[in-house]
Amino acid sequence: EIVLTQSPGTLSSSPGERATLSCRASQTVSDIYLAWYQQKPGQAPRLLIYGASIRATGTPYRFSGSGSGTDFTLTISGLEPEDFAVYYCQHYGTSPPHTFGQGTKLEIK
Amino acid sequence: EVQLVESGGGLVQPGGSLRLSCAASGFTSSTYWMSWVRQAPGKGLEWVANIKEDGSEKYYVDSVKGRFTISRDNAKNSLYLQMNSLTVEDTAVYYCARDQVGWHLRLGYYYYMDVWGKGATVTVSS
Repeated sequence: EIVLTQSPGTLSSSPGERATLSCRASQTVSDIYLAWYQQKPGQAPRLLIYGASIRATGTPYRFSGSGSGTDFTLTISGLEPEDFAVYYCQHYGTSPPHTFGQGTKLEIK
Repeated sequence: EVQLVESGGGLVQPGGSLRLSCAASGFTSSTYWMSWVRQAPGKGLEWVANIKEDGSEKYYVDSVKGRFTISRDNAKNSLYLQMNSLTVEDTAVYYCARDQVGWHLRLGYYYYMDVWGKGATVTVSS
């Protein structure tokens, strides 16, 4: 089973700043199996990035994903007020369970 | 509009049963794997189960194996989760999600969850 560890647990940033969120896998994974989701309070998760770096339909260009092997990153360039939320990475590989990281809360400084 | 709508949540006593439903609209669910994902109060997301397009393959997280059953009725464009022997640890919002598929030349098919319902709340308490 792949374990995903996200860091930091909470990130305090200001609008306009750049935010970098990390997702580390317990073993090497193929980047195509790595996705990122955004969740706001009281809402369902929303797909942001799949295949580690491919923006989903409707994902703003300020969101970018990168990484390979065991280390993956979600970068938000120029934070907007609506970006403050919880972010999860997920490994949806060839064998279940299709685990999520524990999440990073991005809060306004 | 592509949409998933869960129903069937509620309050149940420990040891009880509950059946969740998920109605798909705006797309033909029979051409997609489908998943259930849950979120305990104040906690993160946990993948629970998924089912192949034709229902021939089903997979579960270890903590629900033998207690939960995922199924689908493609004629009704619906997904289900039968939950038995419920415990307080099963208290959560349960989301259904569509497993979208992509193709990689070297690695073959890959999946990600591109459409989510708003969730159904399940509370297990005496």
